[in-house]
Amino acid sequence: GDSVTQMEGPVTLSEEAFLTINCTYTATGYPSLFWYVQYPGEGLQLLLKATKADDKGSNKGFEATYRKETTSFHLEKGSVQVSDSAVYFCALCDNYGQNFVFGPGTRLSVLP
Amino acid sequence: DVKVTQSSRYLVKRTGEKVFLECVQDMDHENMFWYRQDPGLGLRLIYFSYDVKMKEKGDIPEGYSVSREKKERFSLILESASTNQTSMYLCASSLMGAKGNTIYFGEGSWLTVV
Repeated sequence: GDSVTQMEGPVTLSEEAFLTINCTYTATGYPSLFWYVQYPGEGLQLLLKATKADDKGSNKGFEATYRKETTSFHLEKGSVQVSDSAVYFCALCDNYGQNFVFGPGTRLSVLP
Repeated sequence: DVKVTQSSRYLVKRTGEKVFLECVQDMDHENMFWYRQDPGLGLRLIYFSYDVKMKEKGDIPEGYSVSREKKERFSLILESASTNQTSMYLCASSLMGAKGNTIYFGEGSWLTVV
């Protein structure tokens, strides 16, 4: 079945450091890919998404590019802030737009 | 904006009690989901529903049931709460089968069973 693998962390960075959180997937067809963020004590919020190969999703300084050749969707940010401390989930939705699969989440801590 | 509302953010219940967790969405979504989130275990799907009065078991349905009497409302029921059901519960909704479909989450319900 479909699956999502991401680095589990925790990841600890200093403020203004560069962030990469790796995500790879296994799926048939052409899934849509997502990054969700979960701040402490809250639900998951959509951060960005991409629906086809070579699409780049971006939001709040975060970016991820849908790479079909490497089945990856790595999350990047050029300069993290303390307020970015959260858990980040990579996810896919299958080709039929019906079944969602989530990675295990990566906890990010940004120190001042 | 899509809004998924979980009526209770924090609950404390006794072992053996019947517990209802309520969820309402305002975007006319066909699909609704209940997940459980525990440290180190990620998100685990309990049940989902793709239409009124329809339900499908997810990965961990044991000890839970659900009810969907109206399209906008999806309830999770713990018939007899146990301490191992202490967890964060997340409700979510999405459209039915659209390419680029997005799933939207509520803020979560923290349940403690004592």
